[in-house]
Amino acid sequence: AQRVTQPEKLLSVFKGAPVELKCNYSYSGSPELFWYVQYSRQRLQLLLRHISRESIKGFTADLNKGETSFHLKKPFAQEEDSAMYYCALSGQSTRLGGGADGLTFGKGTHLIIQP
Amino acid sequence: DAGITQSPRHKVTETGTPVTLRCHQTENHRYMYWYRQDPGHGLRLIHYSYGVKDTDKGEVSDGYSVSRSKTEDFLLTLESATSSQTSVYFCAIDGASGTPDTQYFGPGTRLTVL
Repeated sequence: AQRVTQPEKLLSVFKGAPVELKCNYSYSGSPELFWYVQYSRQRLQLLLRHISRESIKGFTADLNKGETSFHLKKPFAQEEDSAMYYCALSGQSTRLGGGADGLTFGKGTHLIIQP
Repeated sequence: DAGITQSPRHKVTETGTPVTLRCHQTENHRYMYWYRQDPGHGLRLIHYSYGVKDTDKGEVSDGYSVSRSKTEDFLLTLESATSSQTSVYFCAIDGASGTPDTQYFGPGTRLTVL
């Protein structure tokens, strides 16, 4: 079974400080990992996917297969970064022809950036 | 916002009442998903569809059914709503071909079962 763990329910840091949101996963194959962000009462938005190795809004995340982690980092937090952050995993499809069987999400981390 | 809408956006209903939520997409994408979001649980997959009339169960499918009679619409039905189904429901579609496991989400439906 696949599982995503975000150990911190709440993370509070000061503006300008570095941020690291932790994500660990359990999956026997080669997963696709994602970070989604949800600003107050809005829809989830894709922030990062590991395969693209992009930096969005100053955030980066590196997949560490040895530690089964996909931590999200930003060197200098900004107040507009306050939001819920979800780590998610997509496993290999069980169906012929592939496709996506749905994402497994962590429980989320509420990031608060204090002025 | 990837052309995904959900209706209604808010609904209050009573225990035992049937409820249907609608997800509509204008992207002509093959895969569609229903999730529920609850504090302390994150998002959990209810059902998904990989084509017209092709659906499968997710992690928390009990008490829910779905239908997809055309590409653009994916309906979620609570046959007899219970208070435990009070939640925010999100629909999602897959990304463009080549990125089928990247999902884009609708605005959500806030359902309260009294």
